[in-house]
Amino acid sequence: GAGVSQSPSNKVTEKGKDVELRCDPISGHTALYWYRQSLGQGLEFLIYFQGNSAPDKSGLPSDRFSAERTGGSVSTLTIQRTQQEDSAVYLCASSFGGRREPQHFGDGTRLSIL
Amino acid sequence: SQQGEEDPQALSIQEGENATMNCSYKTSINNLQWYRQNSGRGLVHLILIRSNEREKHSGRLRVTLDTSKKSSSLLITASRAADTASYFCATASNDYKLSFGAGTTVTVRA
Repeated sequence: GAGVSQSPSNKVTEKGKDVELRCDPISGHTALYWYRQSLGQGLEFLIYFQGNSAPDKSGLPSDRFSAERTGGSVSTLTIQRTQQEDSAVYLCASSFGGRREPQHFGDGTRLSIL
Repeated sequence: SQQGEEDPQALSIQEGENATMNCSYKTSINNLQWYRQNSGRGLVHLILIRSNEREKHSGRLRVTLDTSKKSSSLLITASRAADTASYFCATASNDYKLSFGAGTTVTVRA
């Protein structure tokens, strides 16, 4: 079946512009995660959605970052007034929820801020 | 914040050899998971070991967990060129969040 789909795969934009990153999770998965991966680093948790519960936004680095998940499916991560330090790969993952469920990852969006 | 720390940071081996990498963590866990990431791709789940388990096998993979030492190891036997990737450990504690280490980059030479 289809895996987690992210778009765009690459995004280059100028400092100060807003960007939207999209994630289409695996059908039936109730949990959706956003992570950020800087070059040669591990994954930094950003935000978590589970069903209709309020999202856990505790990992968002600043108020320039926001995310929503419409209809319990597709999610959009928005970064406003981008800065050069926002350059990274943004990864989305989905799962059936719970600590023992493996997370299924998309291939990420590589964001470059000029 | 990162809880898991992998060691070594990089590993280069000959095809057919075994590859071993280690993960240390700081707080108590519910389970520990290993993921693989090929260059330019997302992470792929390899294996999960629960806190009450000591060893687990999956194909050519063997994972151990020592909760007293807060450490885990991943062994890949009879390595292949296709095993070239970065390997990450991730710990799950009291909630749904996974805390990832910085990874071990494995290069398998033909």
